[in-house]
Amino acid sequence: EAGVTQSPTHLIKTRGQQATLRCSPISGHTSVYWYQQALGLGLQFLLWYDEGEERNRGNFPPRFSGRQFPNYSSELNVNALELEDSALYLCASSLEGADYGYTFGSGTRLTVV
Amino acid sequence: KQEVTQIPAALSVPEGENLVLNCSFTDSAIYNLQWFRQDPGKGLTSLLLIQSSQREQTSGRLNASLDKSSGRSTLYIAASQPGDSATYLCAVVGGSYIPTFGRGTSLIVHP
Repeated sequence: EAGVTQSPTHLIKTRGQQATLRCSPISGHTSVYWYQQALGLGLQFLLWYDEGEERNRGNFPPRFSGRQFPNYSSELNVNALELEDSALYLCASSLEGADYGYTFGSGTRLTVV
Repeated sequence: KQEVTQIPAALSVPEGENLVLNCSFTDSAIYNLQWFRQDPGKGLTSLLLIQSSQREQTSGRLNASLDKSSGRSTLYIAASQPGDSATYLCAVVGGSYIPTFGRGTSLIVHP
């Protein structure tokens, strides 16, 4: 069974540009979570999608947005990139209700220069 | 708001030692607690999942316990090996179904 896959692995963007990160959940998982892990900081919750809807978002500005597609894959968009957006972005998926816990992908390393 | 604290922040031990990593949380109304391992620059690997109705879970040399009433979980690593070197994270899930993470314990096991 394939795990959670994220692409690209690395992404380098210039300040002010837009970045798009992608996540494919484990087959059968309907929920997708996005987290930001900046250097030296813990995992900060960004967004939660379930059944195509945004269920909750963390304390991040509106330029962080995303969506979930009918096949449950998800996209995270970061507009007007700032230097402090440089971080490892992690995606996790789960079954409804999270009885079986959360499975994470390997992450996308975003560097803003 | 749930807050998760992990102690110690860092740990360096010789190979073979038995280790105890601690995780405490402020809101005891949790759904489950999950321990993860993260290697530098990599994603998270799930180690153990404890449901709120359970007291402990075991997998190989790892044992995790949960005491909801005191807001604590402990990850016990037996006979540590250099390959155990990583950051260990605990995540607590409450009614929001959003995992809240501690800052982690950075473990180095030297030969």
